[in-house]
Parts: sequence; C-alpha cells; structure tokens
Amino acid sequence: DAKTTQPPSMDCAEGRAANLPCNHSTISGNEYVYWYRQIHSQGPQYIIHGLKNNETNEMASLIITEDRKSSTLILPHATLRDTAVYYCIANSGGSNYKLTFGKGTLLTVNP
Amino acid sequence: GAVVSQHPSWVICKSGTSVKIECRSLDFQATTMFWYRQFPKQSLMLMATSNEGSKATYEQGVEKDKFLINHASLTLSTLTVTSAHPEDSSFYICSATGNNSPLHFGNGTRLTVT
Repeated sequence: DAKTTQPPSMDCAEGRAANLPCNHSTISGNEYVYWYRQIHSQGPQYIIHGLKNNETNEMASLIITEDRKSSTLILPHATLRDTAVYYCIANSGGSNYKLTFGKGTLLTVNP
Repeated sequence: GAVVSQHPSWVICKSGTSVKIECRSLDFQATTMFWYRQFPKQSLMLMATSNEGSKATYEQGVEKDKFLINHASLTLSTLTVTSAHPEDSSFYICSATGNNSPLHFGNGTRLTVT
C-alpha cells in the first residue's frame, strides 16, 4: 500500500460538512483510495472508495485530485454519530486486499 | 449486503486456556479473510491472511503456532488463540472480501486473559 498522511484530529460542528484530507503522493496507477471509519470499540466500517473519478454514495463523497496525490472525504451534514477515527488507505484491491491501517484522523463532531 | 459476523463479541479466559473466535460472511462467499489485532489507542495490525482451503499466511512477528487459523469454508474462518496469556488481551477483528467487493469487517472480539 502506498503511504498515506492524515491529520491526527479534526473538529466539526454538528450539521456542517466535515472535510477530511488525505495525502497519498506515492500512490501507484492501480491503487484505489479507500476510506473506512472506526467508531470506538467496533470494527472498521467501509465508507467509500475511488480510483480517479469523484465518487458519492449515501454516506459520503470522495474528491480525488487530478494528479491523484491527495483526496478529501466529505461528510455533507455531520452528526454526533459520525464521531470516529477515519482511515484513508491506498490499495490495489482485488486479490491483494491486505489493507494497511495508519493512525487515521479522529473526527469529533461537536453539538 | 456484505455483512461479516464475528463471535463472540467479548470473552474472558484464564491464562493457559485456548479461545476460538469465529468470523462468518453472512451474505457472500469470502475467498479471503483477514485477521487483525488492535491494542488500546493503537491502529489495526494485520496478523494473517486466510484463504479458503489453504494454509494461512502470517505477518512477520505473528506466531502461527499460537494463533491457529482455519478457513474451512467460503463463509467461515476461525482464529484460535492457544495457551492465552495476559499479553494476548486485545481486540481481534476479522474482515472478508469476495468477488472484488470492498473489504468488510466484523465488529471485533474483545479478549481479556486473566
């Protein structure tokens, strides 16, 4: 997996958009960007992934820069239940799904 | 879809005993399952990769004779912590993938060895 860099912590007000950045400057052409989150004492939850194009699902949007060296996960309307550690992982997927977890970003959503 | 169930969610055992943790893919066939371990305030560390019908591949520093992995079917992998000691107390998490879908995780097993 290419190395990813995320800020250790971020705060967000409830109801506002949370924008979580991730740098992956050494990502290779066949590596996807995956986002997972882990709420305290639970297993990681898959959020979204993408290769080149921006992606959106019911949970979040993923914006990937054109050079693919960084990306941003957007939670459009953060709630208190979105407080979690968010992990950005670069991985080629398929038969090589050995995800390497860094320290992630602790997002705290404040009332 | 893509539900991974892990059992038990927590277990307390005495030092020297063995504990088995089950990981099931409920609505898909998982050719590959992964086992992670997470100590307090740390990130997940991959322990081993489990492929159905073959021997597990262990990460460096993980004792294969201590952490026995069996992946006997496309929906079930088990991790047995043998002769558990207090330092094995941790949060054990399995994950599974099938048909190129994203990796999905179980809810983890909190193991406490007294």
